[in-house]
Amino acid sequence: DSGVTQTPKHLITATGQRVTLRCSPRSGDLSVYWYQQSLDQGLQFLIQYYNGEERAKGNILERFSAQQFPDLHSELNLSSLELGDSALYFCASSAASGGAQETQYFGPGTRLLVL
Amino acid sequence: EDQVTQSPEALRLQEGESSSLNCSYTVSGLRGLFWYRQDPGKGPEFLFTLYSAGEEKEKERLKATLTKKESFLHITAPKPEDSATYLCAVQARGGSYIPTFGRGTSLIVHP
Repeated sequence: DSGVTQTPKHLITATGQRVTLRCSPRSGDLSVYWYQQSLDQGLQFLIQYYNGEERAKGNILERFSAQQFPDLHSELNLSSLELGDSALYFCASSAASGGAQETQYFGPGTRLLVL
Repeated sequence: EDQVTQSPEALRLQEGESSSLNCSYTVSGLRGLFWYRQDPGKGPEFLFTLYSAGEEKEKERLKATLTKKESFLHITAPKPEDSATYLCAVQARGGSYIPTFGRGTSLIVHP
């Protein structure tokens, strides 16, 4: 158990809908990272938050957004969902700002299925 | 652009048959190289971080090594419970320090 929690574990929804994925980092960790993992793309970095502020952005679609709250939990919002958004979404956390050599610890993931 | 290539894509071993997984990388300057284990439908589990060429780290039947161009994950006398996908990620100097992940090697160990 990494100490990172994610809810829900599974999510089934329809195209065009909007969903929210939630992540709680390990106790004391200030950084949260979101990743998308699909069979054909591997693990793709989406976005990082550090202590409530956006720190780095990766291959995140404009339909997706995220935020980190004062209690450090984070939410990833996915809107206008398409079939291709079906994937595993992982949250990871690290102690500080994601600087050099800092290890990320991953949560169990949310499996999203868009029908 | 940072690149990470893992080989082979898939590997089948008999229990007790030792082997190695490869992670080749291209980065402007390496800050750290990470190995993770991922079971189906679960999140990656951290195994090792390597920082400089020549460094080695061990954990049970796993040993990770690092050169200037690649890293190896050696598995000695594997057991069926070692079956998983092993991911390699590199962190480059400068920029956002976000690691770049390889596609992974899927390992199956048969009893």
